[in-house]
Amino acid sequence: DVKVTQSSRYLVKRTGEKVFLECVQDMDHENMFWYRQDPGLGLRLIYFSYDVKMKEKGDIPEGYSVSREKKERFSLILESASTNQTSMYLCASTESGTYYGYTFGSGTRLTVV
Amino acid sequence: AQKVTQAQTEISVVEKEDVTLDCVYETRDTTYYLFWYKQPPSGELVFLIRRNSFDEQNEISGRYSWNFQKSTSSFNFTITASQVVDSAVYFCALSDVFGNEKLTFGTGTRLTIIP
Repeated sequence: DVKVTQSSRYLVKRTGEKVFLECVQDMDHENMFWYRQDPGLGLRLIYFSYDVKMKEKGDIPEGYSVSREKKERFSLILESASTNQTSMYLCASTESGTYYGYTFGSGTRLTVV
Repeated sequence: AQKVTQAQTEISVVEKEDVTLDCVYETRDTTYYLFWYKQPPSGELVFLIRRNSFDEQNEISGRYSWNFQKSTSSFNFTITASQVVDSAVYFCALSDVFGNEKLTFGTGTRLTIIP
């Protein structure tokens, strides 16, 4: 089975902390994505990457950055966490050019206090 | 810009009833893909179906069926004889074929099946 693994299921961080959310996939997918999910807003794209060291902004990149040093790993970084970044964060991957849709991780619920 | 609208925020039905989840989309592309995902209480989104813009045939998979109508830009999802295990949040999504397969999601419909 294709696996997308997010390192933490729940995280609690303090305002101003630098936060790293890790995502690893084991199917050699080129494309990886970070979304946040909020009630009433659905899933919104933060950043995505279509190759190692490549990244592109999604719809809501402010306050976030990403890193993709290896093909299987895509990290989301909150440079200085704020309470409005409390959310569910979902990582996904897909094979380039197939349009088969995403395989999602189980999500990280981040609370910033 | 692409947009997906799921006007039904929450739906509750009694077990064994049929239920339809609506999805309306907007895109200027002639080639695109539509998806449905299920998010059970565990949180992980599960792929249900993909449909490309050139295939307007309806699809049936067990108790699930999908009705794609380009004329109304809709891709509706029907569950027949609903079961408690169908309780979840359901998302409709649209893929931009020229944008590295980014998905634009609707806001989701929370479906509750009452035993």
